[in-house]
Amino acid sequence: GQNIDQPTEMTATEGAIVQINCTYQTSGFNGLFWYQQHAGEAPTFLSYNVLDGLEEKGRFSSFLSRSKGYSYLLLKELQMKDSASYLCAVDAGNNRKLIWGLGTSLAVNP
Amino acid sequence: EAQVTQNPRYLITVTGKKLTVTCSQNMNHEYMSWYRQDPGLGLRQIYYSMNVEVTDKGDVPEGYKVSRKEKRNFPLILESPSPNQTSLYFCASSYRRPGGLGLTEAFFGQGTRLTVV
Repeated sequence: GQNIDQPTEMTATEGAIVQINCTYQTSGFNGLFWYQQHAGEAPTFLSYNVLDGLEEKGRFSSFLSRSKGYSYLLLKELQMKDSASYLCAVDAGNNRKLIWGLGTSLAVNP
Repeated sequence: EAQVTQNPRYLITVTGKKLTVTCSQNMNHEYMSWYRQDPGLGLRQIYYSMNVEVTDKGDVPEGYKVSRKEKRNFPLILESPSPNQTSLYFCASSYRRPGGLGLTEAFFGQGTRLTVV
């Protein structure tokens, strides 16, 4: 089968750095996406990785290792507004749809 | 402004009363999809469409219908809603990368919170 695993919940402190991991097993791979979703709102796109390595975008970075089926999202200088759910999704290529993780709920405390 | 528009945002209805949730995008995206999101179950795809007149079932299609007569619109139809369809629904759209290299990032509508009593 195809599946994506992420931790259910994480807690961090304002100003700190947090790493959210995502492991995947899919029959194909056309790229991995990270989305942020605040409670009751729509997911919004954060990053896309298709090649191995680190993609940096401001306070957010995302890393991919295709051989290990592994990605992480790194959030630096955490702010209270970063409290949200972070969703990992893989474009597995088959059936042309995304495979979604259940999301990691991040709580940022003062 | 690039956007995906869903309507209505909130809906309370009774069992068996047909309803339609509309979705429209202004980005000329080929790919559109519908998801439902329930606590502990994450985003589950209901139906998707690769282009006009091309639709296919997602993971949880039972009890739903869709149509794609125009590129910009992708309505979700519940012919006979039941309480287990109470959920938060999202429409999303994206481009298809050339050469069969998958999809670009998805743009989501604001969501429709549906309650069936």
